[in-house]
Amino acid sequence: QTVVTQEPSLTVSPGGTVTLTCAASTGAVTNDYSPNWFQQKPGQAPTSLIYSTSYKHSWTPARFSGSLLGGKAALTLSGVQPEDEAEYYCLLHYADTRVFGGGTKLTVL
Amino acid sequence: QVQLVQSGAEVKTPGASLKISCKASESAFTSHFVHWVRQAPGQGLEWVGRINPGGDHTFYAQRFQGRVTLTRDTSTSTVYMDLSSLRSDDTAVYYCIREVSSIFDYWGQGTLVTVSS
Repeated sequence: QTVVTQEPSLTVSPGGTVTLTCAASTGAVTNDYSPNWFQQKPGQAPTSLIYSTSYKHSWTPARFSGSLLGGKAALTLSGVQPEDEAEYYCLLHYADTRVFGGGTKLTVL
Repeated sequence: QVQLVQSGAEVKTPGASLKISCKASESAFTSHFVHWVRQAPGQGLEWVGRINPGGDHTFYAQRFQGRVTLTRDTSTSTVYMDLSSLRSDDTAVYYCIREVSSIFDYWGQGTLVTVSS
């Protein structure tokens, strides 16, 4: 059973930069895993932020970016805003299945 | 604007079966896979399974195999998830999501399922 690991929690100051990562128990994450990133605020359905590692949806704010970093998928927020406080999930593609990371709770303080 | 509208909250007793739906606006499902994901109270997201655009190929997470069935009615742009032999740990919010070429974009609003005696 593949396990996808994210930092449980991170804290960032408003205006700062933070990077969330997504690691796979099977080894290095590559573009073949088609990483997607989602944001979820309390009491709301998740929304999609990033697909295919680094591509943004039309509604994704410019301050969000996706990449591969040190064998992991990464989500970087630059110029963090208070409204970015949320839970963030990555999703990796394994053949016909998908596996979510455990989520990162991002606090903006 | 693409919208995925899910059916309403359900309360079930252990051992019962469940069927919830996800209806797309316009022709938003025509070329898309539809995935189901669930989120237990206070927990993260868990992938349940997916169905292809034609509705003739499904794939399920191993832990749900034998209990879950996804179907779709292309004439009404609706996808259904059946979950049988419900247990208390099936209590969760269930979401549908649209996907094409590994691009996940629109989510349903979620359906709360409560399993309790």
